[in-house]
Amino acid sequence: ELKVEQNPLFLSMQEGKNYTIYCNYSTTSDRLYWYRQDPGKSLESLFVLLSNGAVKQEGRLMASLDTKARLSTLHITAAVHDLSATYFCAVDRGAQKLVFGQGTRLTINP
Amino acid sequence: DTEVTQTPKHLVMGMTNKKSLKCEQHMGHRAMYWYKQKAKKPPELMFVYSYEKLSINESVPSRFSPECPNSSLLNLHLHALQPEDSALYLCASSQDSGENQPQHFGDGTRLSIL
Repeated sequence: ELKVEQNPLFLSMQEGKNYTIYCNYSTTSDRLYWYRQDPGKSLESLFVLLSNGAVKQEGRLMASLDTKARLSTLHITAAVHDLSATYFCAVDRGAQKLVFGQGTRLTINP
Repeated sequence: DTEVTQTPKHLVMGMTNKKSLKCEQHMGHRAMYWYKQKAKKPPELMFVYSYEKLSINESVPSRFSPECPNSSLLNLHLHALQPEDSALYLCASSQDSGENQPQHFGDGTRLSIL
């Protein structure tokens, strides 16, 4: 059974700081997704990571995938308040059957 | 605004009621999904439709009955639900269940069972 674990689950940080969210998964997969969810809102796709060593960047967010270590990271650079949200990684166990991590609730304080 | 539209946004129903949740997308996607999300938890996959056929049922109780009338529409029929079924129900679509494209999510229906 595929298990996906994120850490930390809660993260409170100051604007301007850098931090990393980690996503570990238990069985082999070549596809990993990162989503953002604002309170009471839907999930917004951030990144699709498809191969070992994949790195994607959008604004202050950068995601990477190490399939050998079964680890993905989401790095936040110089955080701003607008990035406050819950971030989920999701691992594809085949045919788009996604298993989500628990989510990391990120709060960025001015 | 999301490209996957779900109605209603909120639904309150008793345990003996029958109701339906609706989902619509016009992106030409051929795979559609139902998820259940409890408060402060991740979404959990319930059903997958691929090319209008049910391809995955994640051991969901029969009081939830999905239907895909055409490639743009996905329904979830509800009957005799339990209080623990109260949750946010999310619909999603993707190009194809075999493609390397992200799923696009609707805003969800917040369901409360009295």
